Amino acid sequence: RKEVEQDPGPFNVPEGATVAFNCTYSNSASQSFFWYRQDCRKEPKLLMSVYSSGNEDGRFTAQLNRASQYISLLIRDSKLSDSATYLCVVSLWGGFKTIFGAGTRLFVKA
Amino acid sequence: EAGVAQSPRYKIIEKRQSVAFWCNPISGHATLYWYQQILGQGPKLLIQFQNNGVVDDSQLPKDRFSAERLKGVDSTLKIQPAKLEDSAVYLCASSPRTSGGTDTQYFGPGTRLTVL
Repeated sequence: RKEVEQDPGPFNVPEGATVAFNCTYSNSASQSFFWYRQDCRKEPKLLMSVYSSGNEDGRFTAQLNRASQYISLLIRDSKLSDSATYLCVVSLWGGFKTIFGAGTRLFVKA
Repeated sequence: EAGVAQSPRYKIIEKRQSVAFWCNPISGHATLYWYQQILGQGPKLLIQFQNNGVVDDSQLPKDRFSAERLKGVDSTLKIQPAKLEDSAVYLCASSPRTSGGTDTQYFGPGTRLTVL
C-alpha cells in the first residue's frame, strides 16, 4: 500500500461545476497535511494547508478526517484556470518525512 | 523576494556519465529539500537539510547520489554514474523554520534531466 494515495483521474468537469478529491494516508503519526497545485511542466505551489477543523479559502475547502486517515479538497464554481494537477502532501510533526501523492489531474472545460 | 534558484534548467547526458545540480534557496530559509519527480508521479523526497545538517536521506540512492549544503546556504546534488531511470525533474525546495511545526515549501523551477 502506498503511503499517500490519490485517484489519478483525470477529472473532466465543465466550468462552474463542483469537484472533490480525496487522498488517503497510511501513517497514523502524520501531523501536517497540505494540498499543492502543479501546473503542467511547472513546480508545485502551495494551495492550502489542511487543519483538523477544516479550512476554506474562497472557492476551495479542505477537510481532514484523522479517524479514517484521509483528507479532501472541494473546488466550487470551477474555472478554466483551475485545470492542473492537485498533489496531496503529508508529513510528520516538524516537517519531516514529507510524502507527496502522485496527484489528481483536473481538466475544466468551457 | 527572490525565489528558489536552480541550475541548469535542462541537462542531457549519456548513461554512466556524471551530473551535478545546484540550488540556492530563499534567503534565510533554514530547511532545504531535494526531490525527484518522474513523469506522472508526485515528487519523491531524496534528502532534507536543516541548515548544513542532513535530517533525512532515507530515500537517497547513496551508491550513486550525493548531496551537500556547505555553509547552510546553497546546495548541490550529484549523480555519479547516471542510469536511464534517473531521467526525471529534480526539484529543490526551501522552507523557513528551523524546528518544530511545518510550513510552506517553496519550490524552484527544477532541472529536467534526460539520460540517454
